[in-house]
Amino acid sequence: KAGVTQTPRYLIKTRGQQVTLSCSPISGHRSVSWYQQTPGQGLQFLFEYFSETQRNKGNFPGRFSGRQFSNSRSEMNVSTLELGDSALYLCASSLIQESYNEQFFGPGTRLTVL
Amino acid sequence: SQQGEEDPQALSIQEGENATMNCSYKTSINNLQWYRQNSGRGLVHLILIRSNEREKHSGRLRVTLDTSKKSSSLLITASRAADTASYFCATDASQAGTALIFGKGTTLSVSS
Repeated sequence: KAGVTQTPRYLIKTRGQQVTLSCSPISGHRSVSWYQQTPGQGLQFLFEYFSETQRNKGNFPGRFSGRQFSNSRSEMNVSTLELGDSALYLCASSLIQESYNEQFFGPGTRLTVL
Repeated sequence: SQQGEEDPQALSIQEGENATMNCSYKTSINNLQWYRQNSGRGLVHLILIRSNEREKHSGRLRVTLDTSKKSSSLLITASRAADTASYFCATDASQAGTALIFGKGTTLSVSS
C-alpha cells in the first residue's frame, strides 16, 4: 500500500508570491490534516479536512487555506508569502475522523521563502 | 500553542542503554501519542495510549501515562544507533477530529 505522498518536496519562493502544496492520502483514507513545522514554533496544526469539508482549523491567518477533493487528495495554499512561512509542511492522513486513529504522515514539503 | 512539553530537549546515550523521555501536557486528553522523526522527514507513529490506560508496550517501547500529573513517559530499551531521531508526544486537541497538539520534542542521539 502506497504511503502519503506530498508534492513538491522542495520549493523556493520569494516574499509576496503564493504557493500551492499537494497531498495524496493513503488509499481509502478520508481524513487529511496539515501541519507546519518550524524550529521556533515546532509542529503546529493548520487544518483538517474530512469528506471535502474543513472540520478543524488552527490558529493561522487567512493567508493559509486549503481544500479537499472528492478523491480525498488535498491542497493547501499560502498567499502573500512572508519570510516566516519558511517551514516544513506535513500532511497526515487517517482512515476515520477520530483523534485516536493512527495518523500517517507524508515526507513533507520544505518551503523556503526568500 | 504547545500542549506537550518534552523533557529533556536533548539526550545522548550509548548503544544498548535505555532512553527515557518525558512529556507533560496542560489540558485533559482523550489519548496521547508518540511519534518519531528522522532528520526533518515525516513523522512515524510509534504508540498511542488512551486516557484510561496507564501503561502500554510495543516491542522495545514502553509508554506510561499519569493523567493526575498530566504527564507521560516513553522508554526505549536497548537503544540502537537507528533510534537516533527526534521524538514527539502529541495529544488530541478537540472533542472530535484528528487535530493533534505536539510538544517540541526530544532529540535522541545514540552512538555506537
